[in-house]
Amino acid sequence: AQTVTQSQPEMSVQEAETVTLSCTYDTSESNYYLFWYKQPPSRQMILVIRQEAYKQQNATENRFSVNFQKAAKSFSLKISDSQLGDTAMYFCALGLNYGGSQGNLIFGKGTKLSVKP
Amino acid sequence: DSGVTQTPKHLITATGQRVTLRCSPRSGDLSVYWYQQSLDQGLQFLIQYYNGEERAKGNILERFSAQQFPDLHSELNLSSLELGDSALYFCASSGNTGELFFGEGSRLTVL
Repeated sequence: AQTVTQSQPEMSVQEAETVTLSCTYDTSESNYYLFWYKQPPSRQMILVIRQEAYKQQNATENRFSVNFQKAAKSFSLKISDSQLGDTAMYFCALGLNYGGSQGNLIFGKGTKLSVKP
Repeated sequence: DSGVTQTPKHLITATGQRVTLRCSPRSGDLSVYWYQQSLDQGLQFLIQYYNGEERAKGNILERFSAQQFPDLHSELNLSSLELGDSALYFCASSGNTGELFFGEGSRLTVL
């Protein structure tokens, strides 16, 4: 079975500073993806960043980057230059790929991030 | 805009009733997923359909059922509703790039 664990229920950061959200996962599969989704107060689920397990290079999207440690099964999200609009719940998710067919995503319980002015 | 459309956005009903939630996936996506998010909880996977057929089943109650139609839209039927079924129900679709694209959700309140 696959599991995703986010050990930080809540975090806060000052505007313009950097914050790192932690995520660990467990799977015996070799072909998988990892994601961070953001859920602001509007409740919309928004993809922040994705990482293919076979890629060693860490994914980056503007101010968002990940630290993917495959052997340790760790996938942390770093937000640089935090902005008030980054205030949201952040979910780490694991997705399996079955020969090109996308399986469902397994989500962690989330980390509530507050960016303070 | 993710391209996934869910209706209704809000629904209030009474215990014991039955409701139907509807989802239209992104154009070209064959897979539809349903998730339940209770208050301050993560997302619980309910069920997945692929091109009209059930592909995977998660923590879906027997009182709940779903189907995907030939035009690829999907419906989630919730019956004999209980107070604990109050939640945000998300539909998502995927292509072949790995990520899921979520609709805005249907907020169900059972009184």
